[in-house]
Amino acid sequence: KQEVTQIPAALSVPEGENLVLNCSFTDSAIYNLQWFRQDPGKGLTSLLLIQSSQREQTSGRLNASLDKSSGRSTLYIAASQPGDSATYLCAVRSGTASKLTFGTGTRLQVTL
Amino acid sequence: DTAVSQTPKYLVTQMGNDKSIKCEQNLGHDTMYWYKQDSKKFLKIMFSYNNKELIINETVPNRFSPKSPDKAHLNLHINSLELGDSAVYFCASSQVGVSGNTIYFGEGSWLTVV
Repeated sequence: KQEVTQIPAALSVPEGENLVLNCSFTDSAIYNLQWFRQDPGKGLTSLLLIQSSQREQTSGRLNASLDKSSGRSTLYIAASQPGDSATYLCAVRSGTASKLTFGTGTRLQVTL
Repeated sequence: DTAVSQTPKYLVTQMGNDKSIKCEQNLGHDTMYWYKQDSKKFLKIMFSYNNKELIINETVPNRFSPKSPDKAHLNLHINSLELGDSAVYFCASSQVGVSGNTIYFGEGSWLTVV
């Protein structure tokens, strides 16, 4: 059974700092891994998707890496801004039913 | 032009009632899902339909019954609501081979059972 863990559970950084969010998964036989952002009272917005054959994906100030063999992914946010404050979730797609399993999330607060 | 839309956004109801949440996607996707997010913000899949056929049915009480009248719609009906059913329910859709099977979520339906 796939299990996804994210650390830290919460993070507070001053504006302008670079930061790294971590995601680990127990079954390395995945199809892809996706990072999402969830704002309070809102749905999930997809940020980046990394296929199992890829090592990283970049979008603007965001860079996601994938090390499938060790069951880890990181989301790097450069030059953080207050607007980046949200909960970040990673999810892996795996199994015969191609199920998406979510991590527990990291709640990020970027302060002025 | 919302991609995945679900209604109602907020629902407060009494224990024992029956309620439905509707979901529609205009992305042309084959696969639709229902997820439940509990009070600890943990998001867990409940059901997945592909081309109107049920492909994932997690350990969910049979009081929950999904209905997919067509590819673009997946409704969730809940019978005999219980206090523990209070949560946010998210509908989502995806398409294999499109954007790497990226999944798109609706805005959520906040269900409160009193």
